[in-house]
Amino acid sequence: NAGVMQNPRHLVRRRGQEARLRCSPMKGHSHVYWYRQLPEEGLKFMVYLQKENIIDESGMPKERFSAEFPKEGPSILRIQQVVRGDSAAYFCASSSGGISGNTIYFGEGSWLTVV
Amino acid sequence: TQLLEQSPQFLSIQEGENLTVYCNSSSVFSSLQWYRQEPGEGPVLLVTVVTGGEVKKLKRLTFQFGDARKDSSLHITAAQPGDTGLYLCAGAAASAGGFKTIFGAGTRLFVKA
Repeated sequence: NAGVMQNPRHLVRRRGQEARLRCSPMKGHSHVYWYRQLPEEGLKFMVYLQKENIIDESGMPKERFSAEFPKEGPSILRIQQVVRGDSAAYFCASSSGGISGNTIYFGEGSWLTVV
Repeated sequence: TQLLEQSPQFLSIQEGENLTVYCNSSSVFSSLQWYRQEPGEGPVLLVTVVTGGEVKKLKRLTFQFGDARKDSSLHITAAQPGDTGLYLCAGAAASAGGFKTIFGAGTRLFVKA
């Protein structure tokens, strides 16, 4: 009964390094979403992907951030040349993409700390 | 731009009291979800409502979807300390190729014993 799996749970990076966050969707789900959450705030949409396609990346910064969901393997959120402001919790969610009542289910998050 | 406004942002009450959290938008959503999130954890789904006017009950929690599918409320009866957490409403709307879900800023509930 595997839910959405994210790793790593916690990641520490120095300024200028790269961060890679992985997400395996729930079994049978082909839609993946990434959200960012700052302390004491709500969830901010970043990107929506289906297998091999980016559907909506309107919430993702134009520079340094990229996301992919390859045909095989997990979805990856990649942050290049991290800065302190990138420190946040990054949540992945998945759905089956059904028309009726599209519900997304979350992983436990990846906490990125940039030092 | 679709926005979901939640109110109140913060609520501190005594055990046994009732409370209602509101989620409002000018946009129509195909469905609306309520989640609860605890510190250090991901949001956990409480309910999905799909039909305008729909009411769902989950023990002491009652969820209602507005007739026009633009707003929703969460009512908790006889709150308990275990209800403490961040409550998030989320609306799903059709987007190119699928659905995009946006979130309200959340209501932080603290129930004192």
